[in-house]
Amino acid sequence: GENVEQHPSTLSVQEGDSAVIKCTYSDSASNYFPWYKQELGKGSQLIIDIRSNVGEKKDQRIAVTLNKTAKHFSLHITETQPEDSAVYFCAAIEGGYSTLTFGKGTMLLVSP
Amino acid sequence: DAGVTQSPTHLIKTRGQHVTLRCSPISGHKSVSWYQQVLGQGPQFIFQYYEKEERGRGNFPDRFSARQFPNYSSELNVNALLLGDSALYLCASSLALGRNTEAFFGQGTRLTVV
Repeated sequence: GENVEQHPSTLSVQEGDSAVIKCTYSDSASNYFPWYKQELGKGSQLIIDIRSNVGEKKDQRIAVTLNKTAKHFSLHITETQPEDSAVYFCAAIEGGYSTLTFGKGTMLLVSP
Repeated sequence: DAGVTQSPTHLIKTRGQHVTLRCSPISGHKSVSWYQQVLGQGPQFIFQYYEKEERGRGNFPDRFSARQFPNYSSELNVNALLLGDSALYLCASSLALGRNTEAFFGQGTRLTVV
């Protein structure tokens, strides 16, 4: 089955800096890669996703890049703000249905 | 529009007891998946249901079972609870099946087994 590795496990940045979280996957057939933000008491929110037919996708301060050859994808957050502090999970599709395999998560702390 | 709703939000049970967790998907979504998230880990897939049929099952013991109702809501049942079942249980709904289908998560049910 699919295996997703995520790094780093924790990331501390100053407000205004950029943050990058990286993930690798094992199943070359996977072609959908969502990122979720999990805040305490708010559940998991889909913040951005990318499909294998594109290499990069941007949404305001958030961007995701995908390298299918190397089987890795990354989340980039620019101009970080304290409200970006949360746990971020990357995921990849497993099997023929919409079941997700998640990384172990990255705790992002943005200091004012 | 209401998102994915789960109930209860928190639950404390004793070892050996049984628990039922409930999930209502986004209106129009026909697929519901259940995930277990142990503290410090990413969510682990438990079950997927589509059109009231089980379409996928993760590596969990038979103490875990689920079902989907005609209105597409779903229940996750866990029998003979163990301390290790303490986790955040997440429900995700999708419009349909498929590799490119977005999944939307509820806030989860925090289960504590004592």
